[in-house]
Amino acid sequence: QSVLTQPPSVSAAPGQKVTISCSGSSYNIGNNYVSWYQQLPGTAPKLLIYDNNKRPSGIPDRFSGSKSGTSATLGITGLQTGDEADYYCGTWDSSQRGYVFGTGTKVTVL
Amino acid sequence: QVQLQESGPGLVKPSQTLSLTCTVSGDSITGGDFYWSWIRQPPGKGLEWIGYIYYSGNAYYNPSLKSRVAISVDPSKNHFSLNLTSVTAADTAVYYCARTTVTTAKFDSWGQGTLVTVSS
Repeated sequence: QSVLTQPPSVSAAPGQKVTISCSGSSYNIGNNYVSWYQQLPGTAPKLLIYDNNKRPSGIPDRFSGSKSGTSATLGITGLQTGDEADYYCGTWDSSQRGYVFGTGTKVTVL
Repeated sequence: QVQLQESGPGLVKPSQTLSLTCTVSGDSITGGDFYWSWIRQPPGKGLEWIGYIYYSGNAYYNPSLKSRVAISVDPSKNHFSLNLTSVTAADTAVYYCARTTVTTAKFDSWGQGTLVTVSS
């Protein structure tokens, strides 16, 4: 059972915006950097956001990350059918003494 | 461009040891800026960090698996390996290897993953 809680699913029409929350505690999100990973169907996860709000080279600026207190948020604007995927947050947890991933959120484009 | 490739048996019998290797190309395991990680994903479920290792051999494990896991590194072959003992059906998963930055622990490159099924 993960210590990082995400909504199971979010959906929106093409072109719209979705946000995905990742709720944790002072042991994890509150005191560590958060990363976000996109997992397209049948493929390996890919780094989408790191250090709370930075994008690796090649990731479009439609994807954004933020952190406030013990929660983090991933935003996707201009939603495209190719964005349909599972999204996971992740960070170090000092209580678990290890890296933890969120429960995962499935994004559906209506 | 770094590439990681998992290899090993796709079927392991219960109570036996699961052994996988991740071969790294395009980067040196001894570069010093990265940990080298194993992550798994049971079918239809989320991601679970197993552990990671530094080129020096220092390893860090998920406490829930620590008693059964060992990760090793072979700098001469530029690869690192996972051993998971006493496996059960609950260990059936896609196993990924990944490169992990030392500074902020982000997994910036992943292998394609390999499915390991535990069954008699």
